[in-house]
Amino acid sequence: DIQMTQSPSSLSASVGDRVTITCRASQSISTYLNWYQQKPGKAPNLLIYVASNLQGGVPSRFSGSGSGTDFTLTISSLQPEDFATYYCQQSYSTSWTFGQGTKVEI
Amino acid sequence: EVQLVESGGGLVQPGGSLRLSCAASGFTFSDYEVNWVRQAPGRGLEWVSYISSSGSTIYYADSFKGRFTLSRDNAKNSLFLQMNSLRAEDTAIYYCARGGYYGDRWGQGTLVTVSS
Repeated sequence: DIQMTQSPSSLSASVGDRVTITCRASQSISTYLNWYQQKPGKAPNLLIYVASNLQGGVPSRFSGSGSGTDFTLTISSLQPEDFATYYCQQSYSTSWTFGQGTKVEI
Repeated sequence: EVQLVESGGGLVQPGGSLRLSCAASGFTFSDYEVNWVRQAPGRGLEWVSYISSSGSTIYYADSFKGRFTLSRDNAKNSLFLQMNSLRAEDTAIYYCARGGYYGDRWGQGTLVTVSS
């Protein structure tokens, strides 16, 4: 199975900060990498698909980059509604695997 | 409006069975692959199973092979996850997610609690 490792596991930030979350795959996954946001008690919400494509309705302050084994999710200017947990997910193999999550806190 | 609604969760004893459903609306269900993902309390996301749009191809994570069975009824816009031989560690919220490479729409989830 392809293992996904996110870092950091949690971070503290302030409104207006630039935030970067990284995700590393245990083998090359090309650009088959997606990012989700999850708020407490809610289902995950797709932010970025295929490494760098912004899902419809997602604010442009979110962006994704990377290929191969190393990927990043960047929030250019953190807003109050962005405090949540973020997960990366690979779809290179038929069995999805997720990173362990990054909790973004105040 | 695109919607996925899971149901069928509840409290079950270890060794018991449950059948979860995922009802789709607002899109052509038969055109889409679907994945099931679960989340144990306070934990991360774990992939469970995949089914192709026609239902002819199904994959399971190793932890669920032989215990879980996924099926779909495109005429009824529904998906079914039969879960047998349930264990305490199967306690989780179970989500259905539309899409093969990524989940662009998710249901609200249904809680399965395995406890005596």
